[in-house]
Amino acid sequence: DSGVTQTPKHLITATGQRVTLRCSPRSGDLSVYWYQQSLDQGLQFLIQYYNGEERAKGNILERFSAQQFPDLHSELNLSSLELGDSALYFCASSVDPGAGNSPLHFGNGTRLTVT
Amino acid sequence: GESVGLHLPTLSVQEGDNSIINCAYSNSASDYFIWYKQESGKGPQFIIDIRSNMDKRQGQRVTVLLNKTVKHLSLQIAATQPGDSAVYFCAETPSGGGADGLTFGKGTHLIIQP
Repeated sequence: DSGVTQTPKHLITATGQRVTLRCSPRSGDLSVYWYQQSLDQGLQFLIQYYNGEERAKGNILERFSAQQFPDLHSELNLSSLELGDSALYFCASSVDPGAGNSPLHFGNGTRLTVT
Repeated sequence: GESVGLHLPTLSVQEGDNSIINCAYSNSASDYFIWYKQESGKGPQFIIDIRSNMDKRQGQRVTVLLNKTVKHLSLQIAATQPGDSAVYFCAETPSGGGADGLTFGKGTHLIIQP
């Protein structure tokens, strides 16, 4: 068990809808990362927060947004959903502000299916 | 951006044998490398990491080798067990973290034959 908790485990929704994915990092970790995993793209970095502030941005669509709250949990909001957004969404956490100092620890993901 | 890739998508080995999973990276600025294991239905699990000031690092039954000259990384798993069956990813980033967080390779599916 990595200590990173993601909810819900599964989500099925229709195109055009909006969903929120939730992540609780490991105790003591200040950084939260969001990744998308699809069969054809592999693990793609979306965005990182450190202690409540956006730290780095990857291939995140404008329809997607995230935030990290004072208690350090994070939410990823996906709106105007399209079929192609169906994927596994992973949250990871680490104690450091950058990904190059210590390993990221991943949750077990949220499987999003858009119908 | 630059990419990290794996040489073989699937590797099949006999239980008890050693396995070697390879990874090539292209970002010359990368100096922190990590191997992850992902089992079905789970998130990537940290196995071992290495920094560019090292050529080799050993863990329990695993060894990571880094060849900076040819930008190549490998993961050796000794005496493979059924529980080693999973997809293995290499990941890389510059120290301090690049703008893209960790960059992951596509993954190698390791299959352990009884």
